[in-house]
Amino acid sequence: GEDVEQSLFLSVREGDSSVINCTYTDSSSTYLYWYKQEPGAGLQLLTYIFSNMDMKQDQRLTVLLNKKDKHLSLRIADTQTGDSAIYFCAENQAGTALIFGKGTTLSVSS
Amino acid sequence: NAGVMQNPRHLVRRRGQEARLRCSPMKGHSHVYWYRQLPEEGLKFMVYLQKENIIDESGMPKERFSAEFPKEGPSILRIQQVVRGDSAAYFCASSPLDRDSPLHFGNGTRLTVT
Repeated sequence: GEDVEQSLFLSVREGDSSVINCTYTDSSSTYLYWYKQEPGAGLQLLTYIFSNMDMKQDQRLTVLLNKKDKHLSLRIADTQTGDSAIYFCAENQAGTALIFGKGTTLSVSS
Repeated sequence: NAGVMQNPRHLVRRRGQEARLRCSPMKGHSHVYWYRQLPEEGLKFMVYLQKENIIDESGMPKERFSAEFPKEGPSILRIQQVVRGDSAAYFCASSPLDRDSPLHFGNGTRLTVT
């Protein structure tokens, strides 16, 4: 399949909002996912959105989906130092397992 | 409810040896996936298995790599005659249903080939 694209780095100050963007490839993907990976650990499912939704909010996390542009974003409100990690966007392209982007490294400074 | 369990966490092999990576899915999950993460790269899909069946192995290298998920016991990813390029983190994930359900990941096995 084609690549899921993400910017590689994002640096924010503690208390600010973080917005991580992703461009996916398959308009028929049913779900789109955000995973978080801390150093030396596996991937933790943060949230996911069904493709017929535009927005999903879960506490400090807001996911926005623009199907026309195949654009997905993850907003983290009131970012904390514990949010520092790599964030992966993933889509389930038709007939395949989840396809991941290369990840966005979020660095939060106090 | 224990999560996805992978062992060993770290594995060191010399070139030419065999590496065996194990994965026990979450309780109640019958679908297992293996992914490889190379340094500074995302996760690349390798293989998708259900009990005693390989469903999709489109991401597996054609030689030296094999995977199984027997009726009893963990899923095994086997790499024969390892080379330095096999050094990576190998992640297993499981799900209760088919490809449309979220994947739950283990903490990975970090393979180093010397």
